[in-house]
Amino acid sequence: DGGITQSPKYLFRKEGQNVTLSCEQNLNHDAMYWYRQDPGQGLRLIYYSQIVNDFQKGDIAEGYSVSREKKESFPLTVTSAQKNPTAFYLCASSRDGHGPLDGYTFGSGTRLTVV
Amino acid sequence: DQQVKQNSPSLSVQEGRISILNCDYTNSMFDYFLWYKKYPAEGPTFLISISSIKDKNEDGRFTVFLNKSAKHLSLHIVPSQPGDSAVYFCAASASSGTYKYIFGTGTRLKVLA
Repeated sequence: DGGITQSPKYLFRKEGQNVTLSCEQNLNHDAMYWYRQDPGQGLRLIYYSQIVNDFQKGDIAEGYSVSREKKESFPLTVTSAQKNPTAFYLCASSRDGHGPLDGYTFGSGTRLTVV
Repeated sequence: DQQVKQNSPSLSVQEGRISILNCDYTNSMFDYFLWYKKYPAEGPTFLISISSIKDKNEDGRFTVFLNKSAKHLSLHIVPSQPGDSAVYFCAASASSGTYKYIFGTGTRLKVLA
């Protein structure tokens, strides 16, 4: 079955440490996205990538970094510069040429907690 | 600056009745609107969409209505079922080419058996 796999499901990080969240898709989708969800807020876009080796900042990119070396993979690194990293992180993808009404396919998310 | 707003954080409805979830937006450039459904500890799943050239789109028990002049859209679920209990997000996008969606804060629907 095709889909998006995010790992781990739960992640604990000490303050001051960088941590990388994994996102892998086998849907052959070209575009991939990272969103963050906080209580009482909508999903906010962190970074997105439309093709391999290219990515753009979203609305809240500060303190995060990404890479897109392979079509299937779009890992997100939460750096120590991110002031409030505790959140639920969602990865999504969409096929090249998708219409605006097709929506994204989302992974099941990673809950990151800073301890 | 919340461009997409869902002012009701929660809604309870009796099984078999109609559920109406509302969403307001402020950006007149938005012309594509989507609804997603999300269960706890899972990612959102796409439910239904509508473009600004239409005022209604129906898919089975789900209907989305768009009122462009009021910058308001609503999702109707008829009849509501216990399995519909989830958080519903509306999302909006302008014709920017990248189709970046702005999401609302979500409404938690509880369908009572």
